[in-house]
This record gives sequence, C-alpha cells and structure tokens, in this order.
Amino acid sequence: DVKVTQSSRYLVKRTGEKVFLECVQDMDHENMFWYRQDPGLGLRLIYFSYDVKMKEKGDIPEGYSVSREKKERFSLILESASTNQTSMYLCASSPQGGQDSNQPQHFGDGTRLSIL
Amino acid sequence: KQEVTQIPAALSVPEGENLVLNCSFTDSAIYNLQWFRQDPGKGLTSLLLIQSSQREQTSGRLNASLDKSSGRSTLYIAASQPGDSATYLCAVRPYSNYQLIWGAGTKLIIKP
Repeated sequence: DVKVTQSSRYLVKRTGEKVFLECVQDMDHENMFWYRQDPGLGLRLIYFSYDVKMKEKGDIPEGYSVSREKKERFSLILESASTNQTSMYLCASSPQGGQDSNQPQHFGDGTRLSIL
Repeated sequence: KQEVTQIPAALSVPEGENLVLNCSFTDSAIYNLQWFRQDPGKGLTSLLLIQSSQREQTSGRLNASLDKSSGRSTLYIAASQPGDSATYLCAVRPYSNYQLIWGAGTKLIIKP
C-alpha cells in the first residue's frame, strides 16, 4: 500500500514565523501535490511537482514556496506565516505516466495548522 | 474552464437505504474521474477511478458511473451503513495536466 506521511498532525505557529510542512511518500511516485482545505472553499491546489527540483504553481501559490530535493520528499514553506494561512494542509502523490497514469492520488492524513 | 459541482451538499438517510451521490462537470475532455472519501479531520481515501473510456467501476457496495457526453457521474452506495458516514468528493483530471479539479463534496450521514 502507498503511504504518504505528513510530519505533523497539528501545528501551532505565530505570525511572521517561517513554517515548514514536510511530506514523504514511499512508492516512488513522480508527482506530488500540496493542497489546503477550508470550510466552504473545498480543496485548493497550492503547488505541485512532477519531478525532483521541478515545481508548478497551483491555484493559490501566494505566500508559499516548495522544495523537492529528493523524489520521496516534498516540503511546503510558509515564508512569513499569517493568520489567513490557518488551514488544513494535505499532501498527495501519484505516479506519472504509462500504464500507471490512471492511478489515483494518494493522500496523507493532513496537518492542521493554526497561526496565532 | 472546467467546473465540478456536487449536489446535494449534505444528505442524511436511515441505515440500510440505497443512495446516489451526484457529480457534474462542464468540460467532457477528461482523462478520468475519481471519487474519494474523507472522514472528519483526516486525509482523503480513493474509492473509485473511472477512466474516460469506461462507463462504470464497482468496489463492494459502491458503484460509480460516468457519462462524459452529459458531464455526469454518480456514486451509488448499496445498503448504507453508519460507517459510510463521511464526506464524499469527486474530482476530474483534464487531458492537459496532472492536476485534479475538485467538487466541494457531499457530507453524508447514515442514521442507525
């Protein structure tokens, strides 16, 4: 079974702090994704990566950056946390091409981040 | 621009009933359509994936159908159980990229 592990289930930080959210997958997937989920707004894509050191902006990249130095790890960085970044953050991974291209995204359990 | 809509937003039914959740999308140029389940405070679990060339997929008591021409998918749950209570989300993957376009979900409550 695919396992996507997010480093923290709950995190509390203060405004202005630099915050790192880590995600690791164990299935050698090429694609990795970061979403945030807010009541009434659904899932929104922040960034995704289709290869090591490659990244693409999603729908709401402002205030965030990402890092993918190794295939299994995708980090989300809040450069200077603000209260409007309080949310549930979800990481996902999926294989890329060939006969695996019709495989679903696999999700971690999420990190509930509160910015005070 | 692709949009995905799920109706109803919430549904409450007695245990044992068969039920249907609906998902509609505006652009039929999709690679696949996926149904997920989310329990409160948790991540998403993939339930069924229907490729664009397929009409339906089944897993246990779940059956998902796809009608690309009308832009609709349904998730049928047979003999519902309290453990089926969760939020169900559908998402479509366009041909053009790896991203998914998400519906807002249907919150399902099965009353014992």
